[in-house]
Amino acid sequence: QKEVEQNSGPLSVPEGAIASLNCTYSDRGSQSFFWYRQYSGKSPELIMFIYSNGDKEDGRFTAQLNKASQYVSLLIRDSQPSDSATYLCAVIKFQGAQKLVFGQGTRLTINP
Amino acid sequence: DVKVTQSSRYLVKRTGEKVFLECVQDMDHENMFWYRQDPGLGLRLIYFSYDVKMKEKGDIPEGYSVSREKKERFSLILESASTNQTSMYLCASRRMDRNYSPLHFGNGTRLTVT
Repeated sequence: QKEVEQNSGPLSVPEGAIASLNCTYSDRGSQSFFWYRQYSGKSPELIMFIYSNGDKEDGRFTAQLNKASQYVSLLIRDSQPSDSATYLCAVIKFQGAQKLVFGQGTRLTINP
Repeated sequence: DVKVTQSSRYLVKRTGEKVFLECVQDMDHENMFWYRQDPGLGLRLIYFSYDVKMKEKGDIPEGYSVSREKKERFSLILESASTNQTSMYLCASRRMDRNYSPLHFGNGTRLTVT
């Protein structure tokens, strides 16, 4: 079982709709969770982090964390064509040295 | 803003060459990382360092080594480049003292080994 799993997509969403991206993780000791966006040919850029159960909102983005079910999700409201990218979920574990483990990413396409 | 600078954006090397990829960060971060990214395989951790002269193997260290002589600089070394090391290489840094401190990435080095 992979430590962090994402549906690779592609996920296609019409402009203006809500895009929902999901991520599951295997280690119950995981503490902090990050969502990165990566445009083609570019490096990942941080969108949000979350470490408490529940929702965290930042503009059009909402991260949701459910530690009991071991999943974290990212909702993008009012999707725009500029949101088309690959979205990476990353998890920090706290055994030993801290390092981020990444999922394979979900490719999202927003259709005008 | 944190700035992570990778010395080369594109690099073409021959099989068997020794290759150095350099990374510098300007925010006094303790942790530094080297990842490679390949289609269908995602980001894979090669090596990371949590302090000067300290290093740990990641998931795919074979064929690579690293050097961290100064806090701001973390070098990735391909001892004898091979074609299967053709990839995008990403350097990143983060603060160690906060649970939610994110990774900050450099722009990446696309390495081609012929």
